[in-house]
Amino acid sequence: DTGVSQDPRHKITKRGQNVTFRCDPISEHNRLYWYRQTLGQGPEFLTYFQNEAQLEKSRLLSDRFSAERPKGSFSTLEIQRTEQGDSAMYLCASSSKELAGGRWSSYNEQFFGPGTRLTVL
Amino acid sequence: ILNVEQSPQSLHVQEGDSTNFTCSFPSSNFYALHWYRWETAKSPEALFVMTLNGDEKKKGRISATLNTKEGYSYLYIKGSQPEDSATYLCATRSNAGGTSYGKLTFGQGTILTVHP
Repeated sequence: DTGVSQDPRHKITKRGQNVTFRCDPISEHNRLYWYRQTLGQGPEFLTYFQNEAQLEKSRLLSDRFSAERPKGSFSTLEIQRTEQGDSAMYLCASSSKELAGGRWSSYNEQFFGPGTRLTVL
Repeated sequence: ILNVEQSPQSLHVQEGDSTNFTCSFPSSNFYALHWYRWETAKSPEALFVMTLNGDEKKKGRISATLNTKEGYSYLYIKGSQPEDSATYLCATRSNAGGTSYGKLTFGQGTILTVHP
């Protein structure tokens, strides 16, 4: 399978514990995104990497959240001192710039992984 | 419209019915609109990316239209089948300052259930 993969698929933890999720994007994609979806809402943007550089962070990403993409390939999202409000589906997506009509296109589609479902007790 | 909004929130139809959903979005700084289908326990699947006013795209029994001036997109499913049951998400990308940012802003989704 050459799609985006995420690990683990499910995580149950106790309040105050730290958790780390991993995302492996499609291998030739240089852009990687993290989103979070809570019940009844659409996914919300958290952060965005181009290669290893973290170019944008949402204000939703509090100091307890940190994301890395050390070699421009896989990414990790860590949540420290988890709270019950962190319970959500965490989605990862990847994309690449594409050459269209002689110009680089940046509105290419994002390919999503299956998500990590976090439950904080 | 300040946010991306989808209607209805949920929809139940019978097999063979045709159906449509609406996605409304801010028309200022519009860059692109994406439609995704998300089945339970699977990854969201990209259906369409549309950028131009008046765009129409089709994929099998599913089609979509785009009106960027008034800020809406319609998704149509012709002859719904039980396997079409999923959450349908629309998302926009904005173009602020002449640069398209990577992030997608999603609506809350429309949950479609097709009964045999």
